[in-house]
Amino acid sequence: DADVTQTPRNRITKTGKRIMLECSQTKGHDRMYWYRQDPGLGLRLIYYSFDVKDINKGEISDGYSVSRQAQAKFSLSLESAIPNQTALYFCATSDWGVGSYNEQFFGPGTRLTVL
Amino acid sequence: TQLLEQSPQFLSIQEGENLTVYCNSSSVFSSLQWYRQEPGEGPVLLVTVVTGGEVKKLKRLTFQFGDARKDSSLHITAAQPGDTGLYLCAGGAQKLVFGQGTRLTINP
Repeated sequence: DADVTQTPRNRITKTGKRIMLECSQTKGHDRMYWYRQDPGLGLRLIYYSFDVKDINKGEISDGYSVSRQAQAKFSLSLESAIPNQTALYFCATSDWGVGSYNEQFFGPGTRLTVL
Repeated sequence: TQLLEQSPQFLSIQEGENLTVYCNSSSVFSSLQWYRQEPGEGPVLLVTVVTGGEVKKLKRLTFQFGDARKDSSLHITAAQPGDTGLYLCAGGAQKLVFGQGTRLTINP
């Protein structure tokens, strides 16, 4: 079974709709991240969480919110989707401590299209 | 703000050729990572370089961290179609910054 899973894998929605993307992990990592990927722009950080009680904005958090329901679960919401939020969304986890360098383990991604 | 610039953005070569991809910054990084991403999948970590001047090899892939820890390179020897993918460099302590990626195509 995959260590980091994302649901749904594909979603088409309309402008103004509320959308939730879910991420679960079995790696036992405390740190979880949400990224968005657009062609030619690499991966950009939306939100990150270092533990259940810690939520931080990334470089492009406007229009998004997150919830860390448990160590293993981190969800991303688009409160009112707009077409320029059409992108690939990735969840990732990382370990931290001596000998760790914040290496990320990614889920398979969610392809979101907002019409 | 730390930024990473990758070059080239696109590279298409024939099987058997050698190639080098670059990842540059004006900032010093404590470590840099390289990931490969295939269509429909998330990025997968290839290597982490930590020490300035460090060289790591992964089969036909050679990764180097610059002496000043501001840049890194990925060299592939005798490229094969299976090397096709998007290569991303990333760095940062608490949160990673990613380069925009190099899309590599190896033609049979």
